[in-house]
Amino acid sequence: QQQVKQSPQSLIVQKGGISIINCAYENTAFDYFPWYQQFPGKGPALLIAIRPDVSEKKEGRFTISFNKSAKQFSLHIMDSQPGDSATYFCAATTSGSARQLTFGSGTQLTVLP
Amino acid sequence: DSGVTQTPKHLITATGQRVTLRCSPRSGDLSVYWYQQSLDQGLQFLIQYYNGEERAKGNILERFSAQQFPDLHSELNLSSLELGDSALYFCASSVDLGAGYGYTFGSGTRLTVV
Repeated sequence: QQQVKQSPQSLIVQKGGISIINCAYENTAFDYFPWYQQFPGKGPALLIAIRPDVSEKKEGRFTISFNKSAKQFSLHIMDSQPGDSATYFCAATTSGSARQLTFGSGTQLTVLP
Repeated sequence: DSGVTQTPKHLITATGQRVTLRCSPRSGDLSVYWYQQSLDQGLQFLIQYYNGEERAKGNILERFSAQQFPDLHSELNLSSLELGDSALYFCASSVDLGAGYGYTFGSGTRLTVV
C-alpha cells in the first residue's frame, strides 16, 4: 500500500514538445506529492509539489495535475528543452512525525534538439 | 551546491569490510534522512534523525546503523559489506520533522563493494 507506481520508464520527446509522466498511488493517507529532478552524478532536486486539496499547480513550464478520486498525479513539462533531459521521480508522503518519501521508480527523459 | 555535503563522493571497498559515510545538513536544517539508490530498488528510505534522535526507520538492514551528532552532522555506518550493498547513498535534510517544504539532497556517495 506504500507503493507509488510511475510510468513510463523512459521518454523521448522532441524539443518544444510536451513531456508527460504519470504516477499512481494506493495509500489514501498520502497528503504531499513532490516531483524531483535528478541529473547524472547529482542528488534529486525538488522541482514542484502539490497537496491533494488542489487539482493543478503550475510553476513556469512545469505543471502537476492531481486526480484525488483516481489516486493519480502527473507532471507535464511544456516546451521541453534539451536541458530538461534528466530522470524524474514522483514521490508521496503522509502526515506524521517522520515524513519519509516513498518514491516512484523514475522516468528517464531525453529531449532531442 | 545544494548545501548538503556528503563525503566521500566515491568509495570502493571489499566484501566484509565496514565503511562510514558522512553527511553535513544544510545550515539550519534539523532533520537528516538517508536513502539508498540502486538500479533494481530505486530510491529507498533508510533512516531519519531529528535533532540527534532517531525518528523513523525504513528498509535499513541490521548491518547498517546511523547516528546524528550534536553539531547535526550524521554518519551512516555499513558493516559486513556484501556485493549487493553497492549503490548510491544519499543524505537529505529538511528544516523540520517532515518533508512539507521538500527535502534538500546531497550529491551522494557512490559505494562499490568488490
